[in-house]
Amino acid sequence: NAGVTQTPKFQVLKTGQSMTLQCAQDMNHEYMSWYRQDPGMGLRLIHYSVGAGITDQGEVPNGYNVSRSTTEDFPLRLLSAAPSQTSVYFCASSSPRTGTVRDTEAFFGQGTRLTVV
Amino acid sequence: AQSVTQPDIHITVSEGASLELRCNYSYGATPYLFWYVQSPGQGLQLLLKYFSGDTLVQGIKGFEAEFKRSQSSFNLRKPSVHWSDAAEYFCAVVGNTGFQKLVFGTGTRLLVSP
Repeated sequence: NAGVTQTPKFQVLKTGQSMTLQCAQDMNHEYMSWYRQDPGMGLRLIHYSVGAGITDQGEVPNGYNVSRSTTEDFPLRLLSAAPSQTSVYFCASSSPRTGTVRDTEAFFGQGTRLTVV
Repeated sequence: AQSVTQPDIHITVSEGASLELRCNYSYGATPYLFWYVQSPGQGLQLLLKYFSGDTLVQGIKGFEAEFKRSQSSFNLRKPSVHWSDAAEYFCAVVGNTGFQKLVFGTGTRLLVSP
């Protein structure tokens, strides 16, 4: 059981370039989320999805796009990278709370460290 | 809206000493609370979680946390710190919106001195 898989692990972009951060989960979770981690600011929610075809904005959505065409995948797109998007990005998945023990936490990937120069 | 405050940015503890990391939350009803640990260059590992029931929660690696509704706190404790506990610790809360919208504190970096 791989859990949540993020690719790539590291990436360097030039300002203005575009790229997609990949996230896949194999737990059949309905919910998926993207967070960014910056020093002194903890993790902040970028976008999230509660099911295939349904996405919504989090706290810091500007400069990022998402889509959810399948339950398993939730890619994060940077359309025109800026130095302010230098960060570590985490993808997470979870289930709706149904009262079962296994549906009581979010599972995180290992992160993607992105540097925009 | 939910929020989490971790008032200590850095804490230094001697190896073998006890540890307490503070976490205060803001949420109108009973929250779901979590503590995560992040070692340098690594992802997030769940230490423990609280939903309801017993207010003292046991986690992995010898950690425990106590939920105090009257103080809106969920402090993390360990009786004897090991050098391998040096890491960054995050408290997080989620309300009735579901686990797709965790709200994290800013983190506390734990340094362990010999």
